[in-house]
Amino acid sequence: DSGVTQTPKHLITATGQRVTLRCSPRSGDLSVYWYQQSLDQGLQFLIHYYNGEERAKGNILERFSAQQFPDLHSELNLSSLELGDSALYFCASSVAGSMNTEAFFGQGTRLTVV
Amino acid sequence: GENVEQHPSTLSVQEGDSAVIKCTYSDSASNYFPWYKQELGKGPQLIIDIRSNVGEKKDQRIAVTLNKTAKHFSLHITETQPEDSAVYFCAASPSWGKLQFGAGTQVVVTP
Repeated sequence: DSGVTQTPKHLITATGQRVTLRCSPRSGDLSVYWYQQSLDQGLQFLIHYYNGEERAKGNILERFSAQQFPDLHSELNLSSLELGDSALYFCASSVAGSMNTEAFFGQGTRLTVV
Repeated sequence: GENVEQHPSTLSVQEGDSAVIKCTYSDSASNYFPWYKQELGKGPQLIIDIRSNVGEKKDQRIAVTLNKTAKHFSLHITETQPEDSAVYFCAASPSWGKLQFGAGTQVVVTP
């Protein structure tokens, strides 16, 4: 167990809908990173938050947004869902403000858009 | 930005043999190189990492080597066991940045 908790584990929704994925980092970790894993794209970095502030953006679509709350948990919001958004979504956490230190991943949320 | 290439994409080994996975990176500023193991239905798990001021690091049956000049690093698993079967990812990160992952290697250890 990495100590990073993601909910829900599975999510099935229809095209055009909106979903929210939740991540609780390890105790004491200030950084949360979101990654998307699809079969043909590997692990793609989406966004990084550190202590409530956005630090970096990767290949995140405009339909996607995220935030990190004062208690350091984070939510990833996906809207106007398309079939191609079906993937595993992982969050990771680390103590420091970059992934230049040990980063620990949650078990992921499997999103299926039908 | 950083680009990480990983080879091979699949690797089949007999139990007890060694497995080697190789990665190259493009950004000379990268100085942190972790390896993750991902089992089916689970998230990536950090198994070993190395920093650019070290050439080699070992942890029981797992070792990682780094050649900064050539910008490549490798994972070595000795005395492989069926529980080593998984997808392995290499990654690279500069001091200020995110982790850039390789495409992954599916390792299958056959008894």
